[in-house]
Amino acid sequence: DAGITQSPRHKVTETGTPVTLRCHQTENHRYMYWYRQDPGHGLRLIHYSYGVKDTDKGEVSDGYSVSRSKTEDFLLTLESATSSQTSVYFCAISEGHLNTEAFFGQGTRLTVV
Amino acid sequence: KNEVEQSPQNLTAQEGEFITINCSYSVGISALHWLQQHPGGGIVSLFMLSSGKKKHGRLIATINIQEKHSSLHITASHPRDSAVYICAVQTSGSRLTFGEGTQLTVNP
Repeated sequence: DAGITQSPRHKVTETGTPVTLRCHQTENHRYMYWYRQDPGHGLRLIHYSYGVKDTDKGEVSDGYSVSRSKTEDFLLTLESATSSQTSVYFCAISEGHLNTEAFFGQGTRLTVV
Repeated sequence: KNEVEQSPQNLTAQEGEFITINCSYSVGISALHWLQQHPGGGIVSLFMLSSGKKKHGRLIATINIQEKHSSLHITASHPRDSAVYICAVQTSGSRLTFGEGTQLTVNP
């Protein structure tokens, strides 16, 4: 299994509080991604990173920010959590830019109450 | 209309049956991925293909670029194959666009 660890695995938080999810990899892959998975939708890209300090928005980036200060860590922050951000969040990594296999973390189930 | 459509959404089979899951897409792609998600949530990559056919054990994936269609076949299905199977296409850059998944249940 690819070395990807997401933390926490489960979190319940209150509306309006900040939340940070962490993705840690031991594969030294350049690309890292944050997705959310919701019923009735496929996985949707929130943000991705193509190197240290290099990030870009995905299709559902509103309300989220990311940071990547080291190759191995990619952080997803909800500055002020809302109920619409209740979801399962997946981190993924890939070695290359095109046509390379993606490896996924185990997911983080976030509930905003 | 989603860029990636999977069918069926749900599939129930008896152990030993041959299973086919379909994926159609509407955009130009550089590659197509098949993923498996088990209860408990972890997602595993099964195949990545850009043409033709690939086989791993009892799993076979095919793609027809002209028809914008891919199929995932499972031969001699087993209850441990029960999972959600997800099709994803790689379009511009490294971005993946995902289908909603097919829930497969294989009964003993």
